[in-house]
Amino acid sequence: QVQLVESGGGVVQPGRSLRLSCAASGFIFSDYGMHWVRQAPGKGLEWVAVIWYDGSNKYYADSVKGRFAVSRDNSKNTLYLQMNSLRVEDTAVYYCAREGFRELYYWGQGTLVTVSS
Amino acid sequence: EIVLTQSPGTLSLSPGERATLSCRASQSVGSSYLAWYQQKPGQAPRLLIYGASSRATGIPDRFSGSGSGTDFTLTISRLEPEDFAVYYCQQYVGSPPWTFGQGTKVEIK
Repeated sequence: QVQLVESGGGVVQPGRSLRLSCAASGFIFSDYGMHWVRQAPGKGLEWVAVIWYDGSNKYYADSVKGRFAVSRDNSKNTLYLQMNSLRVEDTAVYYCAREGFRELYYWGQGTLVTVSS
Repeated sequence: EIVLTQSPGTLSLSPGERATLSCRASQSVGSSYLAWYQQKPGQAPRLLIYGASSRATGIPDRFSGSGSGTDFTLTISRLEPEDFAVYYCQQYVGSPPWTFGQGTKVEIK
């Protein structure tokens, strides 16, 4: 069965960097686009980024453009989110998700990122 | 960027009642580029409906989606205790960003 497991979250000071990982299993990773979605404490869902199945295209929410970078290693079945210049408002649970067509068909359980001094 | 507005913010109903949730887009998302998700406290979201009206794998048939253009509806025909949760719509038409609505909470009356 499809499994997505995020890791790499934690507490980080404003202005620092963090890299999240999402380990995928149970499907052919290189066949699917992958997304990051985040949820601030007590708030709704915010789409963050998408990377095409082959890594050829990447798109970002305006709120993270220029600071976050999505990448993937299809040989390791792993998705990444490099987060630089972190802000307090980036505090959230970060989910990775696999596309069906473009909808987010499968989700991981999330990893919490807390940006605080 | 397409803005999705969900209404109502909170829906207070009893088990067995019918729930009707609305999602309105600031511009057309066609007839096939809208999804609905359910999220329970402490859990990841779960896909319910994609393509505006297709149920995801394992989703009971009491959940149905309809609509096109700018107005979409998620209907739960008879609420079960496990259906009390927050529901989000998301559009994925054209190029990203593929935005979410702010959510509708379905609570027990």
